[in-house]
Amino acid sequence: SQQGEEDPQALSIQEGENATMNCSYKTSINNLQWYRQNSGRGLVHLILIRSNEREKHSGRLRVTLDTSKKSSSLLITASRAADTASYFCATEANAGGTSYGKLTFGQGTILTVHP
Amino acid sequence: NAGVTQTPKFQVLKTGQSMTLQCAQDMNHEYMSWYRQDPGMGLRLIHYSVGAGITDQGEVPNGYNVSRSTTEDFPLRLLSAAPSQTSVYFCASSYSPGQGYGYTFGSGTRLTVV
Repeated sequence: SQQGEEDPQALSIQEGENATMNCSYKTSINNLQWYRQNSGRGLVHLILIRSNEREKHSGRLRVTLDTSKKSSSLLITASRAADTASYFCATEANAGGTSYGKLTFGQGTILTVHP
Repeated sequence: NAGVTQTPKFQVLKTGQSMTLQCAQDMNHEYMSWYRQDPGMGLRLIHYSVGAGITDQGEVPNGYNVSRSTTEDFPLRLLSAAPSQTSVYFCASSYSPGQGYGYTFGSGTRLTVV
Protein backbone atom coordinates (compact mmCIF):
# COMPACT_ATOMS: atom_id res chain seq x y z
CA SER A 1 0.00 0.00 0.00
CA GLN A 2 1.10 3.56 -0.57
CA GLN A 3 2.26 5.16 2.64
CA GLY A 4 2.26 8.68 1.32
CA GLU A 5 -0.71 10.58 0.02
CA GLU A 6 0.14 13.68 -1.95
CA ASP A 7 -1.93 16.73 -2.48
CA PRO A 8 -2.72 18.13 -4.94
CA GLN A 9 -2.49 15.47 -7.64
CA ALA A 10 -1.81 18.18 -10.21
CA LEU A 11 -0.73 21.81 -9.92
CA SER A 12 -0.53 24.38 -12.70
CA ILE A 13 1.12 27.75 -12.10
CA GLN A 14 2.86 30.60 -13.91
CA GLU A 15 6.58 31.12 -13.94
CA GLY A 16 7.70 33.13 -10.94
CA GLU A 17 4.94 31.87 -8.66
CA ASN A 18 5.53 29.59 -5.70
CA ALA A 19 4.46 25.94 -5.75
CA THR A 20 3.45 24.04 -2.62
CA MET A 21 2.95 20.30 -2.49
CA ASN A 22 1.83 18.32 0.54
CA CYS A 23 2.46 14.78 1.65
CA SER A 24 0.82 12.79 4.42
CA TYR A 25 1.96 9.44 5.74
CA LYS A 26 0.69 6.82 8.14
CA THR A 27 3.46 5.27 10.20
CA SER A 28 6.35 6.47 12.31
CA ILE A 29 9.31 7.42 10.12
CA ASN A 30 13.08 7.79 10.25
CA ASN A 31 13.16 10.31 7.44
CA LEU A 32 11.14 11.71 4.57
CA GLN A 33 12.56 12.42 1.14
CA TRP A 34 11.39 14.36 -1.90
CA TYR A 35 12.18 13.34 -5.47
CA ARG A 36 11.59 14.88 -8.88
CA GLN A 37 10.84 12.88 -12.03
CA ASN A 38 10.89 14.42 -15.46
CA SER A 39 8.72 12.69 -18.02
CA GLY A 40 10.13 9.33 -19.01
CA ARG A 41 13.21 9.70 -16.81
CA GLY A 42 14.50 8.35 -13.54
CA LEU A 43 13.95 10.01 -10.19
CA VAL A 44 16.27 12.67 -8.84
CA HIS A 45 16.74 13.14 -5.11
CA LEU A 46 15.93 16.68 -3.99
CA ILE A 47 16.07 16.79 -0.22
CA LEU A 48 15.89 14.58 2.87
CA ILE A 49 14.51 15.65 6.23
CA ARG A 50 14.98 13.55 9.32
CA SER A 51 12.23 12.85 11.84
CA ASN A 52 13.86 15.15 14.42
CA GLU A 53 14.01 18.08 12.00
CA ARG A 54 11.18 20.50 11.36
CA GLU A 55 12.40 22.50 8.38
CA LYS A 56 15.12 22.26 5.78
CA HIS A 57 16.21 24.45 2.88
CA SER A 58 18.08 23.73 -0.32
CA GLY A 59 18.30 26.52 -2.87
CA ARG A 60 14.73 27.38 -3.91
CA LEU A 61 13.36 24.38 -2.02
CA ARG A 62 11.90 24.48 1.47
CA VAL A 63 10.66 21.34 3.18
CA THR A 64 8.75 21.18 6.44
CA LEU A 65 7.91 18.14 8.52
CA ASP A 66 5.24 17.83 11.19
CA THR A 67 5.54 14.41 12.78
CA SER A 68 2.56 15.02 15.07
CA LYS A 69 0.34 15.41 12.01
CA LYS A 70 2.36 12.94 9.93
CA SER A 71 2.69 15.43 7.13
CA SER A 72 5.28 17.27 5.07
CA SER A 73 5.24 20.06 2.54
CA LEU A 74 7.58 20.99 -0.29
CA LEU A 75 7.70 24.63 -1.35
CA ILE A 76 9.41 25.64 -4.58
CA THR A 77 9.89 29.38 -4.71
CA ALA A 78 10.07 31.48 -7.88
CA SER A 79 9.15 28.54 -10.11
CA ARG A 80 10.66 28.14 -13.56
CA ALA A 81 9.41 26.28 -16.62
CA ALA A 82 12.26 23.80 -16.02
CA ASP A 83 10.61 22.83 -12.71
CA THR A 84 7.82 21.14 -14.67
CA ALA A 85 7.92 17.52 -13.48
CA SER A 86 6.31 15.02 -11.13
CA TYR A 87 7.26 15.32 -7.48
CA PHE A 88 7.16 12.40 -5.08
CA CYS A 89 7.53 12.14 -1.35
CA ALA A 90 9.00 8.95 0.06
CA THR A 91 9.35 7.77 3.64
CA GLU A 92 11.67 5.42 5.43
CA ALA A 93 9.70 3.83 8.21
CA ASN A 94 10.93 3.59 11.78
CA ALA A 95 10.94 -0.12 12.60
CA GLY A 96 13.38 -0.61 15.40
CA GLY A 97 16.47 0.20 13.40
CA THR A 98 15.86 -2.31 10.62
CA SER A 99 13.96 -0.06 8.26
CA TYR A 100 16.78 1.38 6.21
CA GLY A 101 16.69 0.31 2.63
CA LYS A 102 12.94 0.54 2.21
CA LEU A 103 11.34 3.62 0.74
CA THR A 104 7.56 3.96 0.48
CA PHE A 105 6.42 6.44 -2.16
CA GLY A 106 3.37 8.60 -2.54
CA GLN A 107 1.52 8.81 -5.84
CA GLY A 108 3.07 12.13 -6.71
CA THR A 109 2.09 15.64 -7.71
CA ILE A 110 2.33 16.69 -11.35
CA LEU A 111 3.61 20.26 -11.48
CA THR A 112 3.28 22.31 -14.65
CA VAL A 113 4.96 25.71 -14.77
CA HIS A 114 3.84 27.88 -17.68
CA PRO A 115 6.36 30.34 -19.17
CA ASN B 1 30.19 8.64 -15.23
CA ALA B 2 29.35 7.55 -11.70
CA GLY B 3 25.81 6.46 -11.16
CA VAL B 4 23.32 3.64 -11.46
CA THR B 5 23.28 1.83 -14.79
CA GLN B 6 20.27 -0.23 -15.85
CA THR B 7 20.13 -2.52 -18.86
CA PRO B 8 18.25 -3.00 -21.06
CA LYS B 9 16.32 0.25 -21.45
CA PHE B 10 13.45 -1.43 -23.30
CA GLN B 11 12.33 -5.05 -23.46
CA VAL B 12 9.38 -6.96 -24.87
CA LEU B 13 8.73 -10.43 -23.49
CA LYS B 14 6.20 -13.09 -24.25
CA THR B 15 4.12 -14.48 -21.42
CA GLY B 16 6.03 -17.24 -19.66
CA GLN B 17 9.50 -16.10 -20.70
CA SER B 18 12.13 -15.31 -18.12
CA MET B 19 14.72 -12.57 -18.11
CA THR B 20 17.11 -10.64 -15.92
CA LEU B 21 17.14 -6.88 -15.53
CA GLN B 22 20.64 -5.68 -14.78
CA CYS B 23 21.57 -2.97 -12.30
CA ALA B 24 25.09 -1.82 -11.51
CA GLN B 25 26.43 1.09 -9.47
CA ASP B 26 29.99 2.31 -9.12
CA MET B 27 29.57 4.50 -6.04
CA ASN B 28 30.28 1.77 -3.46
CA HIS B 29 26.73 2.07 -2.12
CA GLU B 30 25.63 -0.60 0.31
CA TYR B 31 21.90 -0.03 -0.11
CA MET B 32 20.23 -1.07 -3.35
CA SER B 33 16.61 -1.63 -4.28
CA TRP B 34 14.23 -2.34 -7.14
CA TYR B 35 10.95 -0.52 -7.76
CA ARG B 36 8.22 -0.73 -10.34
CA GLN B 37 6.20 2.23 -11.51
CA ASP B 38 2.79 1.81 -13.06
CA PRO B 39 0.74 4.58 -14.72
CA GLY B 40 -0.78 7.00 -12.23
CA MET B 41 0.98 5.38 -9.31
CA GLY B 42 4.04 6.02 -7.30
CA LEU B 43 6.88 3.57 -7.07
CA ARG B 44 6.38 0.26 -5.32
CA LEU B 45 9.25 -1.63 -3.75
CA ILE B 46 9.93 -5.11 -5.13
CA HIS B 47 13.13 -6.22 -3.36
CA TYR B 48 15.92 -4.48 -1.54
CA SER B 49 19.39 -5.13 -0.16
CA VAL B 50 21.39 -3.54 2.65
CA GLY B 51 24.68 -5.10 1.57
CA ALA B 52 26.29 -7.92 -0.36
CA GLY B 53 24.71 -11.25 0.51
CA ILE B 54 21.67 -9.64 2.17
CA THR B 55 18.32 -9.25 0.40
CA ASP B 56 14.74 -8.90 1.53
CA GLN B 57 11.27 -8.60 0.07
CA GLY B 58 9.45 -5.37 -0.47
CA GLU B 59 5.79 -4.64 -1.08
CA VAL B 60 5.34 -6.55 -4.37
CA PRO B 61 7.92 -9.38 -4.53
CA ASN B 62 5.84 -12.13 -6.16
CA GLY B 63 7.21 -13.25 -9.51
CA TYR B 64 10.64 -11.70 -8.95
CA ASN B 65 13.94 -12.95 -7.54
CA VAL B 66 17.09 -11.07 -6.60
CA SER B 67 20.59 -11.83 -5.42
CA ARG B 68 23.45 -9.60 -4.27
CA SER B 69 26.78 -11.36 -4.69
CA THR B 70 28.77 -8.11 -5.02
CA THR B 71 28.36 -4.56 -3.75
CA GLU B 72 28.13 -3.26 -7.32
CA ASP B 73 25.45 -5.47 -8.87
CA PHE B 74 21.84 -6.17 -7.99
CA PRO B 75 20.06 -8.07 -10.81
CA LEU B 76 16.31 -8.60 -10.84
CA ARG B 77 15.02 -11.84 -12.33
CA LEU B 78 11.54 -12.33 -13.72
CA LEU B 79 10.84 -16.03 -13.38
CA SER B 80 7.85 -16.43 -15.72
CA ALA B 81 6.70 -13.15 -17.20
CA ALA B 82 3.03 -12.19 -16.97
CA PRO B 83 1.17 -9.23 -18.53
CA SER B 84 0.71 -7.83 -15.01
CA GLN B 85 4.47 -7.30 -14.90
CA THR B 86 4.31 -4.76 -17.71
CA SER B 87 5.79 -1.71 -16.04
CA VAL B 88 8.77 0.58 -15.77
CA TYR B 89 11.41 -0.79 -13.43
CA PHE B 90 13.84 1.39 -11.51
CA CYS B 91 16.93 0.42 -9.60
CA ALA B 92 18.22 2.72 -6.86
CA SER B 93 21.19 2.85 -4.52
CA SER B 94 22.25 4.84 -1.48
CA TYR B 95 25.42 5.27 0.57
CA SER B 96 23.74 5.51 3.95
CA PRO B 97 20.12 6.54 4.32
CA GLY B 98 20.52 6.67 8.07
CA GLN B 99 23.15 9.38 7.72
CA GLY B 100 20.94 11.51 5.52
CA TYR B 101 21.90 10.32 2.06
CA GLY B 102 19.15 9.98 -0.50
CA TYR B 103 18.93 7.44 -3.26
CA THR B 104 20.38 7.62 -6.76
CA PHE B 105 18.08 6.15 -9.37
CA GLY B 106 18.84 4.55 -12.69
CA SER B 107 17.07 5.69 -15.84
CA GLY B 108 14.72 2.72 -15.85
CA THR B 109 13.80 -0.34 -17.91
CA ARG B 110 10.51 -0.22 -19.75
CA LEU B 111 9.15 -3.78 -19.89
CA THR B 112 6.18 -4.96 -21.92
CA VAL B 113 4.85 -8.48 -21.53
CA VAL B 114 2.57 -9.65 -24.34
